[in-house]
Amino acid sequence: KAGVTQTPRYLIKTRGQQVTLSCSPISGHRSVSWYQQTPGQGLQFLFEYFSETQRNKGNFPGRFSGRQFSNSRSEMNVSTLELGDSALYLCASRVGPPNTGELFFGEGSRLTVL
Amino acid sequence: QKEVEQDPGPLSVPEGAIVSLNCTYSNSAFQYFMWYRQYSRKGPELLMYTYSSGNKEDGRFTAQVDKSSKYISLFIRDSQPSDSATYLCAMSVGGATNKLIFGTGTLLAVQP
Repeated sequence: KAGVTQTPRYLIKTRGQQVTLSCSPISGHRSVSWYQQTPGQGLQFLFEYFSETQRNKGNFPGRFSGRQFSNSRSEMNVSTLELGDSALYLCASRVGPPNTGELFFGEGSRLTVL
Repeated sequence: QKEVEQDPGPLSVPEGAIVSLNCTYSNSAFQYFMWYRQYSRKGPELLMYTYSSGNKEDGRFTAQVDKSSKYISLFIRDSQPSDSATYLCAMSVGGATNKLIFGTGTLLAVQP
């Protein structure tokens, strides 16, 4: 069974650009969460989706947005990139509604902003 | 002050040693406590999951939660070089959310 798949794995952007990251959850999983991981702050919650609805959002500016499609795949977008957005962006999926069962993480998309 | 504090290490131990990893937290509403292991260039994977206070054992791993002290621990017995990774504690309030609050992680190196 394939795990959580994130694309692209690595990308480099310049300040002011925007970026879209994609996440395919494990087959059958309907809940998707996104986290940002940096050396100084660790993993920080961005948002979570279940059945195409955003269920919760972390303390990130509005430049960070996301969505979930009917097939449970999810995308996140960061507009007007800043140097501080350089991070590993992790997607995680779960079978059912929020807070039920184990959260499975993908390997992440490593974003570098120059 | 962060909601969850974790010593970043690095922690270096010889093979076979008992390892103790710890986190403290400030939010008394946390009910779910987890330990994740993250190998280099990989995503975190769940090691242990505990609800409320108490101990939980799984093979060489033991998780302890002391809600009165707002302190959680992960013990690794007979540590192996393959245990070398970053260990992250995570917590959640529970209810209708997946939101986990993570510690910054402790880098562990087990020397053969």
